[in-house]
Amino acid sequence: GENVEQHPSTLSVQEGDSAVIKCTYSDSASNYFPWYKQELGKRPQLIIDIRSNVGEKKDQRIAVTLNKTAKHFSLHITETQPEDSAVYFCAASKSWNNDMRFGAGTRLTVKP
Amino acid sequence: DAMVIQNPRYQVTQFGKPVTLSCSQTLNHNVMYWYQQKSSQAPKLLFHYYDKDFNNEADTPDNFQSRRPNTSFCFLDIRSPGLGDAAMYLCATSSLAGVENEQFFGPGTRLTVL
Repeated sequence: GENVEQHPSTLSVQEGDSAVIKCTYSDSASNYFPWYKQELGKRPQLIIDIRSNVGEKKDQRIAVTLNKTAKHFSLHITETQPEDSAVYFCAASKSWNNDMRFGAGTRLTVKP
Repeated sequence: DAMVIQNPRYQVTQFGKPVTLSCSQTLNHNVMYWYQQKSSQAPKLLFHYYDKDFNNEADTPDNFQSRRPNTSFCFLDIRSPGLGDAAMYLCATSSLAGVENEQFFGPGTRLTVL
């Protein structure tokens, strides 16, 4: 089955700096890669996703890159703000069964 | 305009006393999931329904059961809760009608086992 590894487990940056979180996956058949943000005590919420037919996707300060050959994908947050502080989870799944596997999560702290 | 609703938000039960958690959705999605999330860990999939087709994860204990009486509702039954079952339980939905895979999560039910 699919195995998703996520690094780092914790990340602390200064407000305005960039943050990068990296994930690798094991199943080459996976073709959908979402990123979820979970604030303390709240539900995970999708912030961006990417499918295997594209290499990069951007939405304002957030971007995701995908390298299918190397089986890794990354989340990039630019101009970080204190409200970006949360736990971020990457995930991987196959579109035909939506059996989603999560990474272990990265706790991002943005210091004002 | 809540899309995935979970009740109750907080549940306290005693060791060994059965408990049922509820999830409902207004999205008319055909897939519903139950996840267990322990503190500082990723959500762990317990099982999911594709319409009425039940799919159990291989490592989900028999203590956990689920029912989906209709499209809108799904229940998680914990037959004999142990201290290790204390966690946040998240329900999620998705539609496989097209190519969309996004899962929509409910707010979760935090289960405490005394």
